[in-house]
Amino acid sequence: KQEVTQIPAALSVPEGENLVLNCSFTDSAIYNLQWFRQDPGKGLTSLLLIQSSQREQTSGRLNASLDKSSGRSTLYIAASQPGDSATYLCAVRRGVKTSGSRLTFGEGTQLTVNP
Amino acid sequence: DGGITQSPKYLFRKEGQNVTLSCEQNLNHDAMYWYRQDPGQGLRLIYYSQIVNDFQKGDIAEGYSVSREKKESFPLTVTSAQKNPTAFYLCATSPRDSRGEQYFGPGTRLTVT
Repeated sequence: KQEVTQIPAALSVPEGENLVLNCSFTDSAIYNLQWFRQDPGKGLTSLLLIQSSQREQTSGRLNASLDKSSGRSTLYIAASQPGDSATYLCAVRRGVKTSGSRLTFGEGTQLTVNP
Repeated sequence: DGGITQSPKYLFRKEGQNVTLSCEQNLNHDAMYWYRQDPGQGLRLIYYSQIVNDFQKGDIAEGYSVSREKKESFPLTVTSAQKNPTAFYLCATSPRDSRGEQYFGPGTRLTVT
């Protein structure tokens, strides 16, 4: 059974700092991995999706990497801002190429960026 | 205005009552999902549907039921058999493509007393 772990559970940093969030998964037979952002009381916003054949994806100040063989992904946030404060969740999709494949989620990292 | 709508945003019910949560999408996505989120926890899959008139149980389907009569709609009923129904419920969709990226609605917070 796939298990996804995110470390740390919470992180507090000063504005402007570069930071890394970690995600690990137990079964390397994944199809892709998705990083989400969740603001309090809101739904999830997709940030980046990395296919199993890719090693990284970038969007603005965000960079996500994937090392499938070791079961790890990182989300790098450059020059953090107070508006980045949110919970960040990673989710892995099983290795089947069909619509409706299931995601397994980690518990998230709660990030606070202090002005 | 494209997207996923969930209504209502907050829902209160007495114990023993069934309640139905709405999820509607106009993204023309084939697959739809229901997740439950409890404080400090990740999302857990309740039910999902890949096509109209078909759905599968997720990891925690007991005490829940769904229907998929239209592509745009995937309502979730929380029955009185669900032991701990108070939670934040999220609906998601994904298109029929190789990426399978999931998109989420704003959620419904259900409180049962």
